[in-house]
Amino acid sequence: KAGVTQTPRYLIKTRGQQVTLSCSPISGHRSVSWYQQTPGQGLQFLFEYFSETQRNKGNFPGRFSGRQFSNSRSEMNVSTLELGDSALYLCASSPTKAGVYNEQFFGPGTRLTVL
Amino acid sequence: ILNVEQSPQSLHVQEGDSTNFTCSFPSSNFYALHWYRWETAKSPKALFVMTLNGDEKKKGRISATLNTKEGYSYLYIKGSQPEDSATYLCALNAGGTSYGKLTFGQGTILTVHP
Repeated sequence: KAGVTQTPRYLIKTRGQQVTLSCSPISGHRSVSWYQQTPGQGLQFLFEYFSETQRNKGNFPGRFSGRQFSNSRSEMNVSTLELGDSALYLCASSPTKAGVYNEQFFGPGTRLTVL
Repeated sequence: ILNVEQSPQSLHVQEGDSTNFTCSFPSSNFYALHWYRWETAKSPKALFVMTLNGDEKKKGRISATLNTKEGYSYLYIKGSQPEDSATYLCALNAGGTSYGKLTFGQGTILTVHP
């Protein structure tokens, strides 16, 4: 099975712009989670989508949003970029269904730099 | 705010040494504890997912234990090899619907010297 893929791998934007990141999960996985990794904060949970619905949300401002499509592919969007949004954004997929805590399979990440 | 703490922050060992790390978490709201290994320039990869108090899991030279009553998990590496050098992360599912939501610790950076 192909692994989790993320596009683009690297992105440079300027403050005030918006950005969309894409994640394709492992085939058959219906849960997609997004994380932000910064040197100071470690891996922070952004949100999780399951069957096109946001199932969990982390403590991030409304500038961060996401969605999931019927084929389980997911996108996250950051509007009005700030310098502090520079980070590695990881997505992870899981076959997780109710009542089962499965491991997550991570993609290679998108490195976003905001200038 | 949910605190998942790992210690030590970093560790340098010689090839062949055995080592262990600790992950501490609030015992209330516990549902599952994950361990991941994150090698440089790669993606985090799951080692174990544990849900039961007293659970012990093993994969090759790596093993983990779980104590949900006191809120800690240990990860052990026996006979460390240079290829074990990585950041080891623990993460918690805390909450009945937190299936895809992991709260991570800051990680333990392990360096194994040949």
